[in-house]
Amino acid sequence: ETGVTQSPTHLIKTRGQQVTLRCSSQSGHNTVSWYQQALGQGPQFIFQYYREEENGRGNFPPRFSGLQFPNYSSELNVNALELDDSALYLCASSSGSPKNTEAFFGQGTRLTVV
Amino acid sequence: GIQVEQSPPDLILQEGANSTLRCNFSDSVNNLQWFHQNPWGQLINLFYIPSGTKQNGRLSATTVATERYSLLYISSSQTTDSGVYFCAVPNQAGTALIFGKGTTLSVSS
Repeated sequence: ETGVTQSPTHLIKTRGQQVTLRCSSQSGHNTVSWYQQALGQGPQFIFQYYREEENGRGNFPPRFSGLQFPNYSSELNVNALELDDSALYLCASSSGSPKNTEAFFGQGTRLTVV
Repeated sequence: GIQVEQSPPDLILQEGANSTLRCNFSDSVNNLQWFHQNPWGQLINLFYIPSGTKQNGRLSATTVATERYSLLYISSSQTTDSGVYFCAVPNQAGTALIFGKGTTLSVSS
């Protein structure tokens, strides 16, 4: 069974640029969620995708957007990067709602904005 | 929204010692997860424990849902147990996990 995989593992971007992060969900999982973790903090929910539709969103501006593909993999796009976007971005997959099922996380993408 | 508080924020132990980490949450929940974040940032699943007690080797967890808390026990700690431990519960909509700020554990030999 393949776990959750994310790419790339590290990324350096310049302020104002755009970035795309990718996530492959664990086999059999149809729900993908993205989280941002700033240094010294717990992960913060960005949004969730289920059946290729956004199914919930945290307190993040519209320049954070995403996609889910028919194979349940997902992308997180961030436009007009700001220095405060520097963080660890985590993807989680599950087979349904976090209310009722266990979520599994990838190894994360560490984004640095300079 | 639901609030999650973890204590203590930091814990320093000698190898072989036991420890208890606590997670309090402000509203009733359907499930609770404990994670260990390794030095490379990955969140490793420890327990999925809506209620009751579970054990996995030197680790065990107990969730008392009616009193809105969970405990993670680490016995005979090892240096490899070092890292940050998070608990997380689902939000009301069931679309996200709400995390505490974590407990940073340092185990020295």
